[in-house]
Parts: sequence; C-alpha cells; structure tokens
Amino acid sequence: AQSVTQLDSHVSVSEGTPVLLRCNYSSSYSPSLFWYVQHPNKGLQLLLKYTSAATLVKGINGFEAEFKKSETSFHLTKPSAHMSDAAEYFCVAGLFYKLSFGAGTTVTVRA
Amino acid sequence: NAGVTQTPKFQVLKTGQSMTLQCAQDMNHNSMYWYRQDPGMGLRLIYYSASEGTTDKGEVPNGYNVSRLNKREFSLRLESAAPSQTSVYFCASFAGPSGEKLFFGSGTQLSVL
Repeated sequence: AQSVTQLDSHVSVSEGTPVLLRCNYSSSYSPSLFWYVQHPNKGLQLLLKYTSAATLVKGINGFEAEFKKSETSFHLTKPSAHMSDAAEYFCVAGLFYKLSFGAGTTVTVRA
Repeated sequence: NAGVTQTPKFQVLKTGQSMTLQCAQDMNHNSMYWYRQDPGMGLRLIYYSASEGTTDKGEVPNGYNVSRLNKREFSLRLESAAPSQTSVYFCASFAGPSGEKLFFGSGTQLSVL
C-alpha cells in the first residue's frame, strides 16, 4: 500500500513569486504520481502526472513537478504565481488501480 | 463524450433515511471509485471497484454499500444516513495502467440533518 503526505496544509504567496507545494510518498514500488487542482466549488482537474518517464514533468498553467526517487518526493512548483492559482492542490499516488490522496494544500495568492 | 456522470448534484436527507448516489462512465474504464471530501482531510476512499464484478473497501467504508452494476455503472448507497456522512462525494474512473488518469464526476453535496 502507498501513502501520501503533503507537508503544508496552507501556502500563501504574493502574486508573481514562486510557488512550492511539497509532497512525499511511501510505497513498496514506484507508483504513478499526480497533482490535481480544485478551484472553489469546482471539480478536480489534472495538473500533471509522472508515470516513470522523464523525472521532470511539465503540466498545465506553468506548473511542473520533479520526481526524486531517493527522497520519495514529488514537489510541485510554479515560477510565478497568478491570482487564478488560488485553489486547493492534491498530490496522488497510484499503483495500478490503487490510489491514495494527500490531505491537500490550500494556496492563497496575495495581490 | 460525457466522461463521468454523477447524480444527484445536491441532496438533503434526514437522519435514518436512505439514498443511492449514481455514477456512470462512458470511457470503458475498468476501475471506478467513490471518495468523500471533507475540509482538511483531502479525498478519502470509501469503496472502489478494480474491475466489473469486484468491489473492495477503502479507508472509510462504514455506513456505505456499493454495487458495480456493469462496467459503466458504480453506485454508492447509504442505508441509514447519519450527520457524520454530510460531505461532498466524488465518483471517479481510472484509465490505467497505460493511460493513467483519474476522471472525476462533478460531485454530490450531501447534507444529513
């Protein structure tokens, strides 16, 4: 079984500054890893995914994540935050059909 | 292509009432899931079905039952609703292993009074 820990429950950044959302996973095997975003009162949207190809994964809206096996991490970054990035972000680890969600990180963006 | 269709979108129940949440996907996915989302707790897996004809408990199965009616449909039933089941429920299907991606329904906001 795998588990996911999102190290920050809340991140606050100024518009135009970098965003870092941290995710660690534990798994007996190398899982597939995902980041999903949920805007207020909306459903979940896939930002990006890692499935054992390149370790640096680029997603939508300027987000990217790096898979580091030695650190069992899959941190999400964006070089310059925009007001529209205010949302909740979920890290997900999956092995075949077994999927585990982190508790989520709420991002607020200050003008 | 509708993706994952989940009904109803909103529901209010009284304690002890029963109801069934319906979910259908038209992408021919094998695996389907029911999650509940509560503030500060992320999405917690209630039940999942790895393939047609199989269902398994997730993290929080108590008070729920599921039916994988066929490959398309996966329903969640609350036999006797309790206030602790007030939550937002999401159905999802999973395209894997070669095309890993979770497809989510739009959610059901359930209040149990």
